[in-house]
Amino acid sequence: NAGVTQTPKFRVLKTGQSMTLLCAQDMNHEYMYWYRQDPGMGLRLIHYSVGEGTTAKGEVPDGYNVSRLKKQNFLLGLESAAPSQTSVYFCASSYTLELADYTSYNEQFFGPGTRLTVL
Amino acid sequence: GIQVEQSPPDLILQEGANSTLRCNFSDSVNNLQWFHQNPWGQLINLFYIPSGTKQNGRLSATTVATERYSLLYISSSQTTDSGVYFCAVSTSGTYKYIFGTGTRLKVLA
Repeated sequence: NAGVTQTPKFRVLKTGQSMTLLCAQDMNHEYMYWYRQDPGMGLRLIHYSVGEGTTAKGEVPDGYNVSRLKKQNFLLGLESAAPSQTSVYFCASSYTLELADYTSYNEQFFGPGTRLTVL
Repeated sequence: GIQVEQSPPDLILQEGANSTLRCNFSDSVNNLQWFHQNPWGQLINLFYIPSGTKQNGRLSATTVATERYSLLYISSSQTTDSGVYFCAVSTSGTYKYIFGTGTRLKVLA
């Protein structure tokens, strides 16, 4: 199994250009997430999906759009890139298990990241 | 929303030393994970531990959910332990994880 993969690994854009980042997972996970990580900081959630055809906003959704047309893929789009979107982008996926004690198990697994620079 | 604080922010150790990293969170959590981000930027799962204690080799973790903290213990540290350690939590009814700002560890040979 490849786990979680991200395409591309690196990209340089000019201000105003658009691009799409692709995340793919082969673990049949229901949940998928897009995060960004800025220098010296933790990860911040951009958007996430709880299943095929569904998406929801995270902490920092402005300037991004997402789509989950297939269960295994989660796309992150930048319609008009800005220098403030220079960052490392991580995708993650997870599955959930409802446990006998009415809690739920949900462990995330991450892709290798995409380093994006907007000039 | 829930706040996640990690301490210390930076830590420098000699090879062979032990350390304890702490993660405090401001609300009840349903899920908690510890990650190691290596110097190449890769995020590696260390523990899924919403409560209780787990051990994996030189690493162990304890979460005391009722007191809203988790601890990561690293024993006999090695230079390959260097990197940033993150705690991430999610609350009941949501699968959105919130990350702490991390502890940056450097282990000297």
